[in-house]
Amino acid sequence: GAVVSQHPSRVICKSGTSVKIECRSLDFQATTMFWYRQFPKQSLMLMATSNEGSKATYEQGVEKDKFLINHASLTLSTLTVTSAHPEDSSFYICSARDLDRGGSPLHFGNGTRLTVT
Amino acid sequence: DAKTTQPTSMDCAEGRAANLPCNHSTISGNEYVYWYRQIHSQGPQYIIHGLKNNETNEMASLIITEDRKSSTLILPHATLRDTAVYYCIVRDGAQKLVFGQGTRLTINP
Repeated sequence: GAVVSQHPSRVICKSGTSVKIECRSLDFQATTMFWYRQFPKQSLMLMATSNEGSKATYEQGVEKDKFLINHASLTLSTLTVTSAHPEDSSFYICSARDLDRGGSPLHFGNGTRLTVT
Repeated sequence: DAKTTQPTSMDCAEGRAANLPCNHSTISGNEYVYWYRQIHSQGPQYIIHGLKNNETNEMASLIITEDRKSSTLILPHATLRDTAVYYCIVRDGAQKLVFGQGTRLTINP
């Protein structure tokens, strides 16, 4: 089955630094990837849609200058949390779908737990 | 906003069938019903999806009502490892996946 790999699985950084999270589709190509954030005991919240070769589309309330998304190839999207603060501590999850085969499901990475100290 | 309604929590005895309901009364003709589950501190795991017909795979069965306004996910022989939050989502092929609060299913020994 389709596999999405996310790296790192866990990261701790100091306030003010930047952190990059990678999302790779291992056995399929993805023109579109999605980035989610999940706070404790809450559901997943969509942050942005990453489009290969073009700019990401951000959900309302998500700062595009803080959460930089790059989708440089059909198998890789990156999310960079810039100037991280403790309130950015969260579980970040990416997902991808195979090249828009009607109704095909999204596949999710195993998430990255970010802790900002 | 999520387009589905699910019970907040459910319990089921190990070895029994777990039946998880979902209401999606505003579903449109080209929207699929997807089920995912999330075990603590992991990414969501795809379970099954369907459009109109009932579906079955190695993990579960999906029963969709004829009017498509509701569906039921069936785990035929629940095990302790099936304890998770289960999400029912409707989406067409081009839409983003919007998660609701899901159902927290607890399988009891």
